Amino acid sequence: DTGVSQNPRHKITKRGQNVTFRCDPISEHNRLYWYRQTLGQGPEFLTYFQNEAQLEKSRLLSDRFSAERPKGSFSTLEIQRTEQGDSAMYLCASSLASGGPTDTQYFGPGTRLTVL
Amino acid sequence: GNSVTQMEGPVTLSEEAFLTINCTYTATGYPSLFWYVQYPGEGLQLLLKATKADDKGSNKGFEATYRKETTSFHLEKGSVQVSDSAVYFCALSGGYNKLIFGAGTRLAVHP
Repeated sequence: DTGVSQNPRHKITKRGQNVTFRCDPISEHNRLYWYRQTLGQGPEFLTYFQNEAQLEKSRLLSDRFSAERPKGSFSTLEIQRTEQGDSAMYLCASSLASGGPTDTQYFGPGTRLTVL
Repeated sequence: GNSVTQMEGPVTLSEEAFLTINCTYTATGYPSLFWYVQYPGEGLQLLLKATKADDKGSNKGFEATYRKETTSFHLEKGSVQVSDSAVYFCALSGGYNKLIFGAGTRLAVHP
């Protein structure tokens, strides 16, 4: 178990550029979540995958954001035409559906995006 | 909608002091409740959780009890250490088990 990994760890881009982040969940975890965390705030939910199916998207996820999880393994989060307000830490978490009242989400180290 | 409110920080304590970080929630149904911790330079880690009313979660000397009547999940530790300095997040589980977090409380413990 190597934990959840995210790449890159840091990304600096200019306004209007597209960026893509990758998340590799813990192997055999079938649930994957993306969150966004701005300075001084708690993480906010963006989207959720069960295997390869994207089952929920937050209204925070504008049309410029798209996420995929092909084959139910790694996931990518793309932001098109970045804006300064997109600057944040993007967190990925994974969990294994346990059939119990809730499963434990394990978080990656995050990708810090700075839009200049 | 579902939400979590935590006491604002920073909380500054001397080593071996008693810690309480307040957390209250608003939710439909019966969510699970969590405390996550973020140490400097590290990712979020689950500290403890409780899945139903009156459950007590505990780990590393920290405790929190799920109080349905007061919609609270306060974090306590009897004797803090410098190594406990971190940001603590209270959270609840919503639909599809997504987590809804509070704003976080920074704890600074000095010798």
